[in-house]
Formats: sequence, C-alpha cells, structure tokens
Amino acid sequence: NAGVTQTPKFQVLKTGQSMTLQCAQDMNHNSMYWYRQDPGMGLRLIYYSASEGTTDKGEVPNGYNVSRLNKREFSLRLESAAPSQTSVYFCASSRDINYGYTFGSGTRLTVV
Amino acid sequence: GQQLNQSPQSMFIQEGEDVSMNCTSSSIFNTWLWYKQDPGEGPVLLIALYKAGELTSNGRLTAQFGITRKDSFLNISASIPSDVGIYFCAGQVYNTPLVFGKGTRLSVIA
Repeated sequence: NAGVTQTPKFQVLKTGQSMTLQCAQDMNHNSMYWYRQDPGMGLRLIYYSASEGTTDKGEVPNGYNVSRLNKREFSLRLESAAPSQTSVYFCASSRDINYGYTFGSGTRLTVV
Repeated sequence: GQQLNQSPQSMFIQEGEDVSMNCTSSSIFNTWLWYKQDPGEGPVLLIALYKAGELTSNGRLTAQFGITRKDSFLNISASIPSDVGIYFCAGQVYNTPLVFGKGTRLSVIA
C-alpha cells in the first residue's frame, strides 16, 4: 500500500501565483490534515477534515483553502502565494480524529 | 491555544549513550504520542500513550504518560546512528486534532 501520497514533491512559485497541493490516501481513513513545517516551529495545523464533507480551520489557515474531494483526497490551495508560505507541507490521515496519524513524505514549496 | 514545550531543542550524543527528552504543557491531554522524522521524510509514529501513568516500550524506546496528564517523556537506550532525526511529541484532547511540540533534533556521533 502507498499510504499517503503527496504531489508534487518540490515546487517553486513566484509571488502571486496560485497552485494546489494534492494529497491522497488508500487506507480508507476518515480524517485528513494539512500541516506546515518551518525551522524551529514544529508542525502547525493549517486545515483538517474530520470526515468526508467537513473541513475546519487549524492554527494557521490564512492564505489557504482546502477541498475534501472525496474520502481519499484532500487538496490544499494557495490562491496568491507569498514568500511567507515558503515551507514544507505535510498531509496526514487517520482512521478517525482520535487515532494516530500517517504522514505523507511532504511537498517542499519555495515562493520567490 | 494549547502549546507543548518540548526539550531539549537539540542533542549531540555518543553512540551507545542513553537519551531522554520530554514534553510539558499547561493543558491536560487525553493522549500523548511520539513521532520520529528522518531527513526528507514525514514523521512516523513511534509510541502512543492513552492512560495517565502508562509506561510503554517499543524496542529500545520507552515513553510514559505523566500522572498529571500534562507531560510525557521519551527515552532511547543504547543509541545507534540510525536514531538520528527529529523527535516530536504530540498531545490530543478527544475529538480535536493533534498538537505538536517543536521537536528535539538528535545527532549521534559514532
């Protein structure tokens, strides 16, 4: 099983450009999450989807939107990228919100 | 919001030494988890703790859920080079997402 698959693995954007980070899981998990990781800041939650059809803001949602396309897929969109959004983005999923997470291998995004 | 204070921020140890790291919070959590992140990869779950006072081992790793439910520690015995990475603690209140500490970066000198 692939687990949690994130695409792309690397991306460089110019300020103001838009893009969508894709995430898919094949474990039939109900809950999915987007985190960003910055040096010295740990993992900070951007948005999450406790179950198909629901999404909620996390700690740092500004500048992002999400779509829970179906049970398998949860995408993160940057409408107008800013240098402050340069980060490594991780998608994760879990059986439900009270279970441990399985993480993808990350998308390294640079905004210039 | 809830915050976890993880210490130390970084550690340099000799191969074979034991390692101890901990996580504290002003909030009570129902679950504590410990993750390890290898360079260029996502975090991987090492140990999950569900009851106050619980002590759980996974090979050379041992973790405990503090009695007050506001802290947890992770010990690694007889460290080896592949223990290198970033270790994250995470706490959870029921029906809310995990909150992560800022991580402990472990370096092992052979």
